Amino acid sequence: IAGITQAPTSQILAAGRRMTLRCTQDMRHNAMYWYRQDLGLGLRLIHYSNTAGTTGKGEVPDGYSVSRANTDDFPLTLASAVPSQTSAYFCASGGGSSTDTQYFGPGTRLTVL
Amino acid sequence: GQNIDQPTEMTATEGAIVQINCTYQTSGFNGLFWYQQHAGEAPTFLSYNVLDGLEEKGRFSSFLSRSKGYSYLLLKELQMKDSASYLCAVLDSNYQLIWGAGTKLIIKP
Repeated sequence: IAGITQAPTSQILAAGRRMTLRCTQDMRHNAMYWYRQDLGLGLRLIHYSNTAGTTGKGEVPDGYSVSRANTDDFPLTLASAVPSQTSAYFCASGGGSSTDTQYFGPGTRLTVL
Repeated sequence: GQNIDQPTEMTATEGAIVQINCTYQTSGFNGLFWYQQHAGEAPTFLSYNVLDGLEEKGRFSSFLSRSKGYSYLLLKELQMKDSASYLCAVLDSNYQLIWGAGTKLIIKP
């Protein structure tokens, strides 16, 4: 693989179900991020990780959790999905320096019914 | 609160020049990014400005005035493939990116 990948590409999920969105990068970037993008709104940060083993909360963390067991993987889990979590989810990675450019994965389109 | 303002939509003609403005009010400033996002795709990096002035990169240029809280992205010799959304984002005092809602650019032949 090259760059940053996400899976699945899209998903329709029943409310109340648990779902994990996967994100993997092979650029050896220290920092990784999860955003959601909704029509008419800017990208909003859900959670981030500055380095393997550490995570932090972004602007809209409620209902989501993350883990960073290694450099490459940064999964996002919805413990009990709700319709308001219907969105496009983008994972990004960056070198780890505060001003480093963030590079985005192709996204996961999630619909919660 | 923190705020990034961009026009929602702009229309331009193939071969022409278009300027997309971005104004910001954030808690601190550590740089401003422009990204391009085609419909249904991921944002891709275009430019980064941290000092005042104009940065030119091929057909695209980005300008920053920190005292005015203002940036613009200038696209020259527009091509149909430039039809996309353009996202402005500011790195705040906590080094978190604050994103504008994006400007949808429509190019007409």
